Amino acid sequence: AQKVTQAQTEISVVEKEDVTLDCVYETRDTTYYLFWYKQPPSGELVFLIRRNSFDEQNEISGRYSWNFQKSTSSFNFTITASQVVDSAVYFCALSEAEGSSNTGKLIFGQGTTLQVKP
Amino acid sequence: GEEVAQTPKHLVRGEGQKAKLYCAPIKGHSYVFWYQQVLKNEFKFLISFQNENVFDETGMPKERFSAKCLPNSPCSLEIQATKLEDSAVYFCASSHITGAGNTIYFGEGSWLTVV
Repeated sequence: AQKVTQAQTEISVVEKEDVTLDCVYETRDTTYYLFWYKQPPSGELVFLIRRNSFDEQNEISGRYSWNFQKSTSSFNFTITASQVVDSAVYFCALSEAEGSSNTGKLIFGQGTTLQVKP
Repeated sequence: GEEVAQTPKHLVRGEGQKAKLYCAPIKGHSYVFWYQQVLKNEFKFLISFQNENVFDETGMPKERFSAKCLPNSPCSLEIQATKLEDSAVYFCASSHITGAGNTIYFGEGSWLTVV
């Protein structure tokens, strides 16, 4: 059965620290996609990244980077030099792409609340 | 429009009353999704549409919940006879095409409080 686990419920760091948010997933499909979304205190969901299962290259976008490791079924997210504006709940999500699973439905993790203190 | 528009932003209903939420997907997007976020963290998929046709309703509660996407109208999610446990944020999302890997854009959510 498909599942996404974000074991860290809450993380608190001081500004300028680096922080890594963990995401572990389970799926039987060989083709799937992984996502990260940010939910700031205002409540909207902001798309951050999409990664397909055949592309294990790590990605960097400004202070954000993602480490995809198929061998450990993990898709971790690192924020470098964190800022107060990074305070939010971050969700990892899985979308399966094979057969009847390929509906675009997202399976979300439980979310990690990140608090960045000044 | 350029964003998924959800109304109302906040809705308060007494237990047993009906609640109806609306969603206008991004212009040109054929797929609409509804998700329920309970207790601020848990997201539950409810239903998806391809234009006006139900595409996937595996998450939809069998009783009290219904949804529609009619041509030239906003999509809607209706809850008959609301219960306290229906209190949640309901997110609508849309995408241009279906299938895994397509970026799904979310609206700002409609916060339903059942008292």
